[in-house]
Amino acid sequence: GQNIDQPTEMTATEGAIVQINCTYQTSGFNGLFWYQQHAGEAPTFLSYNVLDGLEEKGRFSSFLSRSKGYSYLLLKELQMKDSASYLCASRSAGNMLTFGGGTRLMVKP
Amino acid sequence: DSGVTQTPKHLITATGQRVTLRCSPRSGDLSVYWYQQSLDQGLQFLIQYYNGEERAKGNILERFSAQQFPDLHSELNLSSLELGDSALYFCASSASNSPLHFGNGTRLTVT
Repeated sequence: GQNIDQPTEMTATEGAIVQINCTYQTSGFNGLFWYQQHAGEAPTFLSYNVLDGLEEKGRFSSFLSRSKGYSYLLLKELQMKDSASYLCASRSAGNMLTFGGGTRLMVKP
Repeated sequence: DSGVTQTPKHLITATGQRVTLRCSPRSGDLSVYWYQQSLDQGLQFLIQYYNGEERAKGNILERFSAQQFPDLHSELNLSSLELGDSALYFCASSASNSPLHFGNGTRLTVT
């Protein structure tokens, strides 16, 4: 089975750093993905972790601990355009992706 | 642009009707996925195809069906539509063990 939990909403200030946490329980775990979705638009791929540790990609980093079933997405130097929903998704065998409910991030001036 | 094409962008229809949503995957991607996203809800997995064969099934209603054709495009058929079927329907495609890339979705409104 699959179960993914992430906070529903977060608020942060422009220029700051925010960490969005995600916990998962996935049979046949085969990777953890983060997507960004602006309201009414398609999700866009941000990052992917299959091994433990930190993956850095510009202002965005993602961390994975497989033993704890835990990941986080770190956003640095927040910009107003970062206001969006951030979706955590775990992949199981067969390349099937199951999404959490998403974290709605509001960036304030 | 993800390279995944979905048509139509918008669809308005009445309860009890049937509609077909179409998806063309990125060039070279063999896997196609369908997701449903109701207002302010998460993405709910419906069904996955790989090279024409059904690979995985989520909480897809019996009124819904899908197929993937030899040219790898896919269609999602929704029948006996109900008000609660109003949602954004996303198609995504991927190569093996690669991230999913999403189309822009079809917004279905059932009145």
